[in-house]
Amino acid sequence: EIVLTQSPGTLSLSPGERATLSCRASQSVSISYLAWYQQKPGQAPRLLIYGASSRATGIPDRFSGSGSGTDFTLTISRLEPEDFAVYYCQQYGSSPLTFGGGTKVEIQ
Amino acid sequence: EVQLVESGGGLVQPGGSLRLSCAASGFTFSSYNMKWVRQAPGKGLEWVSYISSSSSTIYYADSVKGRFTISRDNAKNSLYLQVNSLRAEDTAVYYCARACSSTSCYGFGYMDVWGKGTTVTVSS
Repeated sequence: EIVLTQSPGTLSLSPGERATLSCRASQSVSISYLAWYQQKPGQAPRLLIYGASSRATGIPDRFSGSGSGTDFTLTISRLEPEDFAVYYCQQYGSSPLTFGGGTKVEIQ
Repeated sequence: EVQLVESGGGLVQPGGSLRLSCAASGFTFSSYNMKWVRQAPGKGLEWVSYISSSSSTIYYADSVKGRFTISRDNAKNSLYLQVNSLRAEDTAVYYCARACSSTSCYGFGYMDVWGKGTTVTVSS
């Protein structure tokens, strides 16, 4: 099983600042089959990034993903008020499919 | 509009059963692999099960294997999850999610469409 460890657990930032979220895998993720999701309270997750670096349809370009192998990063270049939420990484290359524990981006 | 709508959740006693349903619309359901994902109160996301478009390939998380059964009816554009022998730790919001097209699938597919979820509470 591929264990995904996200850090930090909580990120306290102000609107306009840059957010850098990390996702580290216990073993290499097949062909960068890694996705990032955003979840707001009471809502379903929303796909942001797939294939480690491809933005999903309708996702603003302030969201970017990078990385390969075991180290992946989600960057939000300039935080907008609507970006404060919990972010999860997920690998979909091998079963069992696994999620990271999440990073909460909160308003400082 | 592409949409997934779950139903069938509720309050059930330990050891009980439920059948969760997910109605799909706005896309060719029979061409897509599908998944169930759950989220316990205040916790993170947990993948539960995967089914291919033709039902030929099915996977389960170890935590539900032998107790949960995923199925689909492409004629009815519906996905199901039969949940048996429920435990307190199965209490969660259960989401169905679209995985990937059977003709263009990378790995098990990222989840680009999600339902709003149905809540299962296991308690005596």
